Amino acid sequence: EADIYQTPRYLVIGTGKKITLECSQTMGHDKMYWYQQDPGMELHLIHYSYGVNSTEKGDLSSESTVSRIRTEHFPLTLESARPSHTSQYLCASLRSGVSTEAFFGQGTRLTVV
Amino acid sequence: GEDVEQSLFLSVREGDSSVINCTYTDSSSTYLYWYKQEPGAGLQLLTYIFSNMDMKQDQRLTVLLNKKDKHLSLRIADTQTGDSAIYFCAELVLGFGNEKLTFGTGTRLTIIP
Repeated sequence: EADIYQTPRYLVIGTGKKITLECSQTMGHDKMYWYQQDPGMELHLIHYSYGVNSTEKGDLSSESTVSRIRTEHFPLTLESARPSHTSQYLCASLRSGVSTEAFFGQGTRLTVV
Repeated sequence: GEDVEQSLFLSVREGDSSVINCTYTDSSSTYLYWYKQEPGAGLQLLTYIFSNMDMKQDQRLTVLLNKKDKHLSLRIADTQTGDSAIYFCAELVLGFGNEKLTFGTGTRLTIIP
């Protein structure tokens, strides 16, 4: 059973608003990832972190930013939301080691109007 | 860089076996995953295999790995309507703390009654 949670599940917000998507995991995983996925489409890596105070940009350019102040949390922030940010955002975590399983949260479906 | 490829669509009759294929790039130390995504949901980890294994079986699921051809397959025995979903293959390349999880395009599995 995966202990990784994303909030909110659904969010509809107006253009220009600042939003933060939360991702938390209680498994002590050091690696965390944010993916952006349009409906029925492939996942694109937008941010990842190897541990506390580590953040890296992914393969797909994104106007969002992330932080990793604590192992458990990896929030994603959009300073000024636009309709082009409408998408599903998926968070994942894993612990590298002998048995490496990557788990996903349920996702946040963001709609910017 | 890492690249993971899948065919986009597969249709199978209920009760038959489904075989979903994936190819990946060369890596000396890799985990390969299969995830299932139902409409509007996050990704559910189905199974994974380490690159030094040839096969892994878990109930109705069988994963086969051909390292020479860098080809991975997921076989679902006795396919049911509840198996309708998008199936993603993913590759984790292990490095010196900089593991990155890369996904294929996803294969949409449709079950024909």
